[in-house]
Amino acid sequence: ETGVTQTPRHLVMGMTNKKSLKCEQHLGHNAMYWYKQSAKKPLELMFVYSLEERVENNSVPSRFSPECPNSSHLFLHLHTLQPEDSALYLCASSQPTGLAGIRSGTGELFFGEGSRLTVL
Amino acid sequence: GENVEQHPSTLSVQEGDSAVIKCTYSDSASNYFPWYKQELGKRPQLIIDIRSNVGEKKDQRIAVTLNKTAKHFSLHITETQPEDSAVYFCAASPWPYSGGGADGLTFGKGTHLIIQP
Repeated sequence: ETGVTQTPRHLVMGMTNKKSLKCEQHLGHNAMYWYKQSAKKPLELMFVYSLEERVENNSVPSRFSPECPNSSHLFLHLHTLQPEDSALYLCASSQPTGLAGIRSGTGELFFGEGSRLTVL
Repeated sequence: GENVEQHPSTLSVQEGDSAVIKCTYSDSASNYFPWYKQELGKRPQLIIDIRSNVGEKKDQRIAVTLNKTAKHFSLHITETQPEDSAVYFCAASPWPYSGGGADGLTFGKGTHLIIQP
């Protein structure tokens, strides 16, 4: 148990559906991330939240909408997705390494098991 | 931005032999280089990392070497075992990372390591 839990583990949705992925971490970390993992591609960083504020948004289409209500929870809201959005979506958490005023982390990312998304 | 190239994409070795995976990076500001292992159907997990103030780091059968001048780093696994079969990802980032999260990480595409019995 790494302390990062994702639900659901598998999701099949049509292009007109609206669904959400949920991530929860129990490690006391101040940063949370969404990554997309597709076959034959690097792990693609989608969003970063640090101290509950979004600090990175790597040109992700607006059909993906993140939400971070507190430092332990992260959501990815999905709507009108395309078949090419089918992938494994990984949530991760870590403790920041370079922010003044908070304890420094090791740089290690702790990943959840992922949510396997299939868009029909 | 940073660009990380990883080779080979697939590596097959006999059990007991050594395996080497190589990565190159483009941004001279990068000085933290972790390696993650992802077994089939499981989450990626950190196995070893190195910062630019050292040239080599070892942990039992795995080691990482870094050449900052040439901007490349490598993962070495000796006496490979079946449980070493997995996808390995290298990554690079500045340290410390002031962008908010600890993650200025840019990942390589991964190497599928197959250990043949």
